[in-house]
Amino acid sequence: DSGVTQTPKHLITATGQRVTLRCSPRSGDLSVYWYQQSLDQGLQFLIQYYNGEERAKGNILERFSAQQFPDLHSELNLSSLELGDSALYFCASSVNGGLPDYGYTFGSGTRLTVV
Amino acid sequence: GENVEQHPSTLSVQEGDSAVIKCTYSDSASNYFPWYKQELGKGPQLIIDIRSNVGEKKDQRIAVTLNKTAKHFSLHITETQPEDSAVYFCAASINNQGGKLIFGQGTELSVKP
Repeated sequence: DSGVTQTPKHLITATGQRVTLRCSPRSGDLSVYWYQQSLDQGLQFLIQYYNGEERAKGNILERFSAQQFPDLHSELNLSSLELGDSALYFCASSVNGGLPDYGYTFGSGTRLTVV
Repeated sequence: GENVEQHPSTLSVQEGDSAVIKCTYSDSASNYFPWYKQELGKGPQLIIDIRSNVGEKKDQRIAVTLNKTAKHFSLHITETQPEDSAVYFCAASINNQGGKLIFGQGTELSVKP
Protein backbone atom coordinates (compact mmCIF):
# COMPACT_ATOMS: atom_id res chain seq x y z
CA ASP A 1 0.00 0.00 0.00
CA SER A 2 1.57 3.27 -1.18
CA GLY A 3 -0.59 5.44 1.07
CA VAL A 4 -2.29 7.11 -1.90
CA THR A 5 -5.89 5.91 -2.19
CA GLN A 6 -7.84 6.02 -5.41
CA THR A 7 -11.48 5.12 -5.86
CA PRO A 8 -13.10 3.48 -7.65
CA LYS A 9 -10.63 0.92 -8.99
CA HIS A 10 -12.72 0.19 -12.05
CA LEU A 11 -15.38 2.20 -13.81
CA ILE A 12 -17.40 1.33 -16.88
CA THR A 13 -19.63 3.98 -18.35
CA ALA A 14 -21.26 5.00 -21.61
CA THR A 15 -20.21 7.69 -24.05
CA GLY A 16 -21.54 11.10 -23.17
CA GLN A 17 -21.64 10.40 -19.45
CA ARG A 18 -19.81 12.13 -16.61
CA VAL A 19 -17.70 10.44 -13.94
CA THR A 20 -15.77 11.53 -10.86
CA LEU A 21 -12.52 9.92 -9.78
CA ARG A 22 -11.34 10.40 -6.23
CA CYS A 23 -7.88 10.53 -4.71
CA SER A 24 -6.71 10.77 -1.11
CA PRO A 25 -3.03 11.71 -0.88
CA ARG A 26 -0.48 10.18 1.45
CA SER A 27 -0.63 11.62 4.95
CA GLY A 28 1.36 14.86 5.09
CA ASP A 29 1.50 15.36 1.33
CA LEU A 30 0.17 18.69 0.09
CA SER A 31 0.42 18.18 -3.68
CA VAL A 32 -1.79 15.98 -5.78
CA TYR A 33 -1.09 15.15 -9.42
CA TRP A 34 -3.32 13.50 -11.98
CA TYR A 35 -1.95 11.44 -14.86
CA GLN A 36 -3.61 9.59 -17.69
CA GLN A 37 -2.03 6.36 -18.93
CA SER A 38 -3.07 4.93 -22.25
CA LEU A 39 -1.36 2.39 -24.48
CA ASP A 40 -0.54 4.85 -27.24
CA GLN A 41 0.18 7.97 -25.17
CA GLY A 42 1.98 6.61 -22.15
CA LEU A 43 1.80 8.56 -18.88
CA GLN A 44 0.48 12.04 -19.60
CA PHE A 45 0.43 14.80 -16.98
CA LEU A 46 -3.00 16.34 -16.57
CA ILE A 47 -2.93 18.71 -13.61
CA GLN A 48 -1.35 19.44 -10.21
CA TYR A 49 -2.90 20.94 -7.11
CA TYR A 50 -0.93 22.19 -4.14
CA ASN A 51 -2.69 22.91 -0.86
CA GLY A 52 -5.99 23.55 -2.62
CA GLU A 53 -4.67 25.69 -5.46
CA GLU A 54 -3.96 24.73 -9.06
CA ARG A 55 -0.16 24.65 -9.48
CA ALA A 56 0.54 23.30 -12.93
CA LYS A 57 -1.51 22.25 -15.91
CA GLY A 58 -0.78 19.83 -18.71
CA ASN A 59 -2.73 19.01 -21.83
CA ILE A 60 -5.95 18.51 -19.91
CA LEU A 61 -9.06 18.57 -22.06
CA GLU A 62 -11.70 21.22 -21.40
CA ARG A 63 -14.13 18.38 -20.71
CA PHE A 64 -11.96 17.43 -17.72
CA SER A 65 -11.70 19.39 -14.50
CA ALA A 66 -10.24 18.82 -11.08
CA GLN A 67 -10.17 20.31 -7.63
CA GLN A 68 -8.50 19.77 -4.29
CA PHE A 69 -10.56 20.12 -1.15
CA PRO A 70 -9.59 21.54 2.28
CA ASP A 71 -8.90 18.03 3.58
CA LEU A 72 -6.48 17.70 0.60
CA HIS A 73 -8.32 14.96 -1.21
CA SER A 74 -8.80 15.60 -4.90
CA GLU A 75 -11.40 14.77 -7.49
CA LEU A 76 -11.02 14.53 -11.24
CA ASN A 77 -14.22 15.08 -13.18
CA LEU A 78 -14.52 13.76 -16.71
CA SER A 79 -17.56 14.79 -18.72
CA SER A 80 -19.01 14.15 -22.19
CA LEU A 81 -16.98 10.98 -22.21
CA GLU A 82 -15.66 9.58 -25.48
CA LEU A 83 -14.32 6.15 -26.33
CA GLY A 84 -10.82 7.62 -26.45
CA ASP A 85 -11.02 8.62 -22.80
CA SER A 86 -10.73 4.96 -21.83
CA ALA A 87 -7.48 4.74 -19.89
CA LEU A 88 -5.88 4.28 -16.52
CA TYR A 89 -6.03 7.43 -14.42
CA PHE A 90 -3.39 7.75 -11.74
CA CYS A 91 -3.18 10.10 -8.86
CA ALA A 92 0.14 10.82 -7.18
CA SER A 93 1.12 12.92 -4.20
CA SER A 94 4.20 14.65 -2.85
CA VAL A 95 5.08 16.75 0.16
CA ASN A 96 5.77 20.06 -1.55
CA GLY A 97 4.57 21.96 -4.58
CA GLY A 98 7.81 22.22 -6.49
CA LEU A 99 10.52 19.77 -7.38
CA PRO A 100 9.68 16.58 -5.53
CA ASP A 101 12.21 15.93 -2.78
CA TYR A 102 11.67 12.21 -2.93
CA GLY A 103 9.63 11.77 -6.07
CA TYR A 104 5.95 11.10 -6.28
CA THR A 105 4.00 8.35 -4.63
CA PHE A 106 1.44 6.94 -7.04
CA GLY A 107 -1.86 5.33 -6.23
CA SER A 108 -2.96 2.11 -7.85
CA GLY A 109 -5.12 3.89 -10.40
CA THR A 110 -8.68 3.92 -11.69
CA ARG A 111 -9.32 1.98 -14.87
CA LEU A 112 -11.96 3.81 -16.88
CA THR A 113 -13.69 2.04 -19.72
CA VAL A 114 -16.04 4.03 -21.93
CA VAL A 115 -18.39 1.90 -24.01
CA GLY B 1 7.77 21.73 -24.84
CA GLU B 2 9.67 19.16 -22.89
CA ASN B 3 9.97 15.75 -24.50
CA VAL B 4 11.53 12.55 -23.18
CA GLU B 5 12.54 9.72 -25.49
CA GLN B 6 13.15 6.25 -24.03
CA HIS B 7 14.84 3.21 -25.59
CA PRO B 8 14.46 0.35 -26.03
CA SER B 9 10.71 -0.25 -25.82
CA THR B 10 11.28 -3.91 -24.95
CA LEU B 11 14.30 -5.63 -23.44
CA SER B 12 14.82 -9.29 -22.72
CA VAL B 13 17.79 -10.52 -20.68
CA GLN B 14 18.90 -13.72 -18.96
CA GLU B 15 18.84 -13.83 -15.20
CA GLY B 16 22.13 -12.53 -13.86
CA ASP B 17 22.85 -10.33 -16.87
CA SER B 18 22.81 -6.54 -16.82
CA ALA B 19 20.09 -4.35 -18.34
CA VAL B 20 20.49 -0.79 -19.56
CA ILE B 21 17.68 1.60 -20.46
CA LYS B 22 18.42 4.98 -22.01
CA CYS B 23 16.51 8.26 -22.10
CA THR B 24 17.10 11.62 -23.71
CA TYR B 25 15.38 14.87 -22.83
CA SER B 26 14.88 18.01 -24.87
CA ASP B 27 14.77 20.87 -22.38
CA SER B 28 18.13 21.88 -20.92
CA ALA B 29 16.27 23.40 -17.92
CA SER B 30 15.35 19.89 -16.73
CA ASN B 31 16.95 19.27 -13.37
CA TYR B 32 15.39 16.18 -11.79
CA PHE B 33 15.29 12.70 -13.33
CA PRO B 34 13.41 9.89 -11.58
CA TRP B 35 12.95 6.30 -12.69
CA TYR B 36 9.79 4.36 -11.99
CA LYS B 37 8.98 0.66 -12.08
CA GLN B 38 5.43 -0.41 -12.90
CA GLU B 39 4.25 -3.93 -12.29
CA LEU B 40 1.09 -5.30 -13.81
CA GLY B 41 -2.02 -3.84 -12.23
CA LYS B 42 -0.11 -1.41 -10.03
CA GLY B 43 0.88 2.22 -10.07
CA PRO B 44 4.43 3.32 -10.92
CA GLN B 45 6.88 3.04 -8.04
CA LEU B 46 9.93 5.27 -7.67
CA ILE B 47 13.11 3.18 -7.69
CA ILE B 48 15.86 5.78 -8.02
CA ASP B 49 16.28 9.43 -8.95
CA ILE B 50 19.07 11.85 -9.77
CA ARG B 51 19.40 15.61 -9.81
CA SER B 52 21.26 17.69 -12.36
CA ASN B 53 24.13 18.48 -10.01
CA VAL B 54 25.07 14.80 -9.76
CA GLY B 55 26.54 12.58 -12.48
CA GLU B 56 25.85 9.16 -11.03
CA LYS B 57 23.89 7.55 -8.23
CA LYS B 58 23.79 3.95 -7.10
CA ASP B 59 21.48 1.95 -4.90
CA GLN B 60 22.44 -1.71 -4.56
CA ARG B 61 21.89 -3.31 -7.99
CA ILE B 62 20.46 -0.15 -9.55
CA ALA B 63 22.40 2.83 -10.83
CA VAL B 64 21.56 5.92 -12.82
CA THR B 65 23.95 8.08 -14.83
CA LEU B 66 23.34 11.56 -16.17
CA ASN B 67 25.12 13.37 -19.00
CA LYS B 68 23.86 16.95 -18.98
CA THR B 69 25.86 17.97 -22.02
CA ALA B 70 24.32 15.26 -24.15
CA LYS B 71 20.98 15.54 -22.32
CA HIS B 72 20.67 11.87 -21.67
CA PHE B 73 20.40 9.62 -18.64
CA SER B 74 20.45 5.88 -18.22
CA LEU B 75 19.27 3.20 -15.81
CA HIS B 76 21.58 0.27 -15.15
CA ILE B 77 20.37 -2.88 -13.43
CA THR B 78 23.02 -5.47 -12.59
CA GLU B 79 22.57 -9.13 -11.65
CA THR B 80 19.01 -9.07 -12.91
CA GLN B 81 16.41 -11.30 -11.26
CA PRO B 82 13.01 -12.49 -12.51
CA GLU B 83 11.31 -10.09 -10.08
CA ASP B 84 12.93 -7.20 -11.98
CA SER B 85 10.53 -7.97 -14.85
CA ALA B 86 8.25 -4.94 -15.22
CA VAL B 87 7.79 -1.77 -17.24
CA TYR B 88 10.32 0.94 -16.43
CA PHE B 89 9.70 4.63 -17.05
CA CYS B 90 12.16 7.49 -17.03
CA ALA B 91 10.96 11.03 -16.41
CA ALA B 92 12.20 14.59 -16.31
CA SER B 93 11.03 17.55 -14.26
CA ILE B 94 11.55 21.27 -14.62
CA ASN B 95 11.79 23.23 -11.38
CA ASN B 96 9.69 26.20 -12.40
CA GLN B 97 6.75 24.08 -13.52
CA GLY B 98 5.61 22.78 -10.15
CA GLY B 99 6.24 19.09 -9.72
CA LYS B 100 5.17 18.19 -13.25
CA LEU B 101 6.97 15.15 -14.66
CA ILE B 102 7.32 14.31 -18.34
CA PHE B 103 7.56 10.56 -18.80
CA GLY B 104 9.23 8.47 -21.44
CA GLN B 105 7.20 5.84 -23.26
CA GLY B 106 8.40 2.98 -21.07
CA THR B 107 10.57 -0.12 -21.45
CA GLU B 108 9.14 -3.56 -20.86
CA LEU B 109 11.92 -5.57 -19.24
CA SER B 110 11.70 -9.35 -19.21
CA VAL B 111 14.22 -11.34 -17.17
CA LYS B 112 14.28 -15.00 -18.15
CA PRO B 113 15.26 -17.55 -15.49
